[in-house]
Amino acid sequence: KQEVTQIPAALSVPEGENLVLNCSFTDSAIYNLQWFRQDPGKGLTSLLLIQSSQREQTSGRLNASLDKSSGRSTLYIAASQPGDSATYLCAVRYGGSQGNLIFGKGTKLSVKP
Amino acid sequence: ETGVTQTPRHLVMGMTNKKSLKCEQHLGHNAMYWYKQSAKKPLELMFVYNFKEQTENNSVPSRFSPECPNSSHLFLHLHTLQPEDSALYLCASSQGEYTDTQYFGPGTRLTVL
Repeated sequence: KQEVTQIPAALSVPEGENLVLNCSFTDSAIYNLQWFRQDPGKGLTSLLLIQSSQREQTSGRLNASLDKSSGRSTLYIAASQPGDSATYLCAVRYGGSQGNLIFGKGTKLSVKP
Repeated sequence: ETGVTQTPRHLVMGMTNKKSLKCEQHLGHNAMYWYKQSAKKPLELMFVYNFKEQTENNSVPSRFSPECPNSSHLFLHLHTLQPEDSALYLCASSQGEYTDTQYFGPGTRLTVL
């Protein structure tokens, strides 16, 4: 069964700290991997999309890496801010271009001022 | 705003009621999706429509009935729901089916009494 796991389930850090969120997947034959952000009671916002042929993607203070051989992805957030507080979801697309997105349960991040 | 709107934002219904959720996208996309997000569980794909045709029904009970009259609108008709159907229902759209970044609406918070 193809599963996506995110650890930790919740994380609290002081403002300004650099942090890493982890995502692991059971099947390395992925098509791509996406990181999303979800604010309370709201929908998802796509942050970064990494194709299976890529090793990382960067957007501002965010950097996502992909290691297919180990079945892992990390989302690095530099100089965290209270506005970064949200739930971060990792989603993997399997089965080539026709596969569905398989989501992890998310990591709830709280950045304290 | 992502360009995907959902109404209503909150809905409380009894087990014998019939209600409908509406999703509209203003992005010119061709694919639309319904997801269910329950507490403590990963996001689950329910239905996929591409060019108004249903291409995916992820073993969803028949008490959930989707309708896609055109590429911009997607409905989810609900009848005789169970309390365990209480969840956040998210709509998403993408330019192409599966391969492109999905843009999510804010969701409808459904409570079944």
